[in-house]
Formats: sequence, structure tokens, C-alpha cells
Amino acid sequence: GAVVSQHPSRVICKSGTSVKIECRSLDFQATTMFWYRQFPKQSLMLMATSNEGSKATYEQGVEKDKFLINHASLTLSTLTVTSAHPEDSSFYICSARDPGTGLMNTEAFFGQGTRLTVV
Amino acid sequence: GEDVEQSLFLSVREGDSSVINCTYTDSSSTYLYWYKQEPGAGLQLLTYIFSNMDMKQDQRLTVLLNKKDKHLSLRIADTQTGDSAIYFCAESRSSASKIIFGSGTRLSIRP
Repeated sequence: GAVVSQHPSRVICKSGTSVKIECRSLDFQATTMFWYRQFPKQSLMLMATSNEGSKATYEQGVEKDKFLINHASLTLSTLTVTSAHPEDSSFYICSARDPGTGLMNTEAFFGQGTRLTVV
Repeated sequence: GEDVEQSLFLSVREGDSSVINCTYTDSSSTYLYWYKQEPGAGLQLLTYIFSNMDMKQDQRLTVLLNKKDKHLSLRIADTQTGDSAIYFCAESRSSASKIIFGSGTRLSIRP
């Protein structure tokens, strides 16, 4: 099946620095990718929808200037957490749909997640 | 609005059936999903159902949908220790739109 690769899987950074997380669709082109955040023992909260070649659509309450999303190609979306603070520590997961899989185009493929720890 | 709710915990005996329930509010939901997340891992799609269906069976998994009540359930027959995980109910309006997740139900198996 289609694969979505996320990198890095874990990152520790100091407060005030920025961290970039990459999400790649490995064997399909994704015009739309989704970024989620998951707090410990909680659900996935949709942060934003990343659209190739245009601005991301952010969910209510998500700071677009803090969580910068760039979807420069059909296989790559990046999420940059700017000026990170300890409260940004979380599990970030990206997702992409493969539009070319016929009946199974309802399936969204998920990256393995990135655990961000801000110290 | 879009809201998906599930109970947080379920404990079953090995070999019994597990039933995880979910309710949703969006009447425009077209696709309803069940995802599985094992500790420290990403999400695995278990099964999905279209809103014009009321049941879908896939090996040990049975999904029941009551569209009138906006109620979805996942039944796992002959539950095994490997089924221990968090199960997320989710919905989307179309095959291309965002997926909204429930809080997840943590399934634990006792011997």
C-alpha cells in the first residue's frame, strides 16, 4: 500500500529554537496533506490542511505564525514549529490521501509520527 | 459542527468479543472509519464503512452503523492480546476532506 514517511521520528530541541518536520508521500502524489497533533493519551487534533502550491488551511485556535506549513511539491509537506516552547511538546502526525487508489481512495495514510520534546 | 465521541476504556477477557462504540454529530459524514494505534506508533486503518451501509464484516471485525442515531460500533470477535491498542473512530465528509477523530478507546485484554 501507499506509504507516508515522516522525519524525524524524535527530536529534542531547546526553547526558542525552531524545528522542521517533513512528511513525504513515497509512492503517490498528494495534493493535500493533513497535520495532526496528539497529546499523551488523547485523540488526534487536526491542526491544518496543507495544500500543494497554496496556503495551508488552519483549524480554529491553531496559530499559523507558530506552525508554518509549506507544501512545495506533490510529495512533500513540512511543518515548522517556530520559537518552540515546552508546551509545544507533543506527537505530530501527518496524513495524506492517495487519489489514485480507486475504491480505496477513502484511505488516508499516516506517517509514523514525530515526537517533539522542547526543553 | 463535527464531533466524534467514544468511551475512553474497555477491558475484555481474552477470547471474548469486544464492542467499541462511537457517536458522531455531523449529518454530512459520508465515510466512517476505525483506526488502530499501538503504543508509540502511527495509525493503522482497520476498516471503513460508507454512510449508505449499515453493516460491514471483515474477518474478525464487524462494523455496525445506525445512521439515524449517528452511532457506529466496532466488534472484534475472539479478542486476542495483540488487539490491545487504542481504537479511534473517525469520520469525513468526502474521500478528499479532513478526517475528524474521536478521543480513542483504550482496549485492554485480561487473561
